[in-house]
Amino acid sequence: TQLLEQSPQFLSIQEGENLTVYCNSSSVFSSLQWYRQEPGEGPVLLVTVVTGGEVKKLKRLTFQFGDARKDSSLHITAAQPGDTGLYLCAGARETSGSRLTFGEGTQLTVNP
Amino acid sequence: GAGVSQSPSNKVTEKGKDVELRCDPISGHTALYWYRQRLGQGLEFLIYFQGNSAPDKSGLPSDRFSAERTGESVSTLTIQRTQQEDSAVYLCASSFIPLSSGRSKNIQYFGAGTRLSVL
Repeated sequence: TQLLEQSPQFLSIQEGENLTVYCNSSSVFSSLQWYRQEPGEGPVLLVTVVTGGEVKKLKRLTFQFGDARKDSSLHITAAQPGDTGLYLCAGARETSGSRLTFGEGTQLTVNP
Repeated sequence: GAGVSQSPSNKVTEKGKDVELRCDPISGHTALYWYRQRLGQGLEFLIYFQGNSAPDKSGLPSDRFSAERTGESVSTLTIQRTQQEDSAVYLCASSFIPLSSGRSKNIQYFGAGTRLSVL
């Protein structure tokens, strides 16, 4: 059973377009993180959200944590080829100690 | 070192052989994690160390998998009698978990991984 469902699994868009990636669960998370991974490298943390309803902006990236802390979204405005990569959401649950549960990832390709 | 270091970066082995993968965490990080990532997929949790003890080893897929850690330093993941389905990238991460973390953000810093291919 996958605790964190990411959608879409694959996304191929043209430079300049906007996109949204979703991360959903039936479980409550104490915090949720978004990572970006490029081929041959480990995931790199983009943001951590902790409070229900929280919105964080990182340049052209906007992250939102659902009010009930069960879901999150990542919105990219005016995507660029450099945004290409695997985007992973990961949740921490207070009952799981320090363990993170990762989603399956969204493979984003931005074509020039 | 400045980041999490893993070695080897690539390992090709024959089915049935044992392999050892190494992880050097960021200095001062108390927690260390091992994950497995199959091609194009998310990360599958294997085991977590706090110091040199492993409070959560529930993700180890079979008794062929084991891991140990020396103090708050190097960890090794050992896979015995490797099988073809063990082929994957094995990622290590470390984080600093303070004693009174409350709702800790648990920011994990990842190494580049070891790509294991079992022929």
